[in-house]
Amino acid sequence: SAVISQKPSRDICQRGTSLTIQCQVDSQVTMMFWYRQQPGQSLTLIATANQGSEATYESGFVIDKFPISRPNLTFSTLTVSNMSPEDSSIYLCSVPLGGKHVYGYTFGSGTRLTVV
Amino acid sequence: GNSVTQMEGPVTLSEEAFLTINCTYTATGYPSLFWYVQYPGEGLQLLLKATKADDKGSNKGFEATYRKETTSFHLEKGSVQVSDSAVYFCALSDPTDSWGKLQFGAGTQVVVTP
Repeated sequence: SAVISQKPSRDICQRGTSLTIQCQVDSQVTMMFWYRQQPGQSLTLIATANQGSEATYESGFVIDKFPISRPNLTFSTLTVSNMSPEDSSIYLCSVPLGGKHVYGYTFGSGTRLTVV
Repeated sequence: GNSVTQMEGPVTLSEEAFLTINCTYTATGYPSLFWYVQYPGEGLQLLLKATKADDKGSNKGFEATYRKETTSFHLEKGSVQVSDSAVYFCALSDPTDSWGKLQFGAGTQVVVTP
C-alpha cells in the first residue's frame, strides 16, 4: 500500500500569512484528497485533487482560500491562505489504498497548524 | 445524503474490559464501511473494513460486521489494553461517487485505564 510523507508536521503561523503543506506519495496515484480536522472534531473533506486538472472543492471551501497543486501523480500541495485563528486545525492528505477506494484510504501523518 | 452516526465519547474502560462502539449509517446504495483509529498526536490509520453485507472486518483483536438490515457497523474488542486508547472513527465510502469519497462519523474517544 502507498506510504505518504507529509510536511510540515506542525507549524505556528501569524494571522494573515499563508502556509503550504506538502504530501509526497511513494507510488503513483490518480486521486489525492485533502481533509481538515478542527480541534476535537471529525474530518471534513476540503477537496479532491486529480493530476492535470483543477481540484474539486467541497461546499464551504474555495480555491482562493485553499489553493491546491497537483503537478504529478506522486505529489500535491495545499496552501492555507490569509490565515486566521479559525484555520487552526490538523490538515491531512489521503490516497486510496491499492488504487481502489473499496480497499480504504491511507492518510498522511497530518499537519498541526496553529494560527496566532 | 450520506451520514454516519457513532456513539459519543469519551468511553472510559479498565484494561481487559469489553469494548463496543456503535456506528450506524445512512447511504443510498451499498457503501463500503471502515473503522479508522487516531492515536494521540498521530494521523489516521485504517483499522478494518467491510465491503458488502455480512462481511466481517477484523484486525488487532477488533471486529465489526456489516449489517445491512440494521445499517450498522459496530466495533468490538473483547479485551482492551491501555495501548488501545485513541479516537475511533467510523466511515463510509460514498457509493455514488466514482472515487468513493469518505464520510466520517464524529469520532469516539476511548480511554483505557490500567
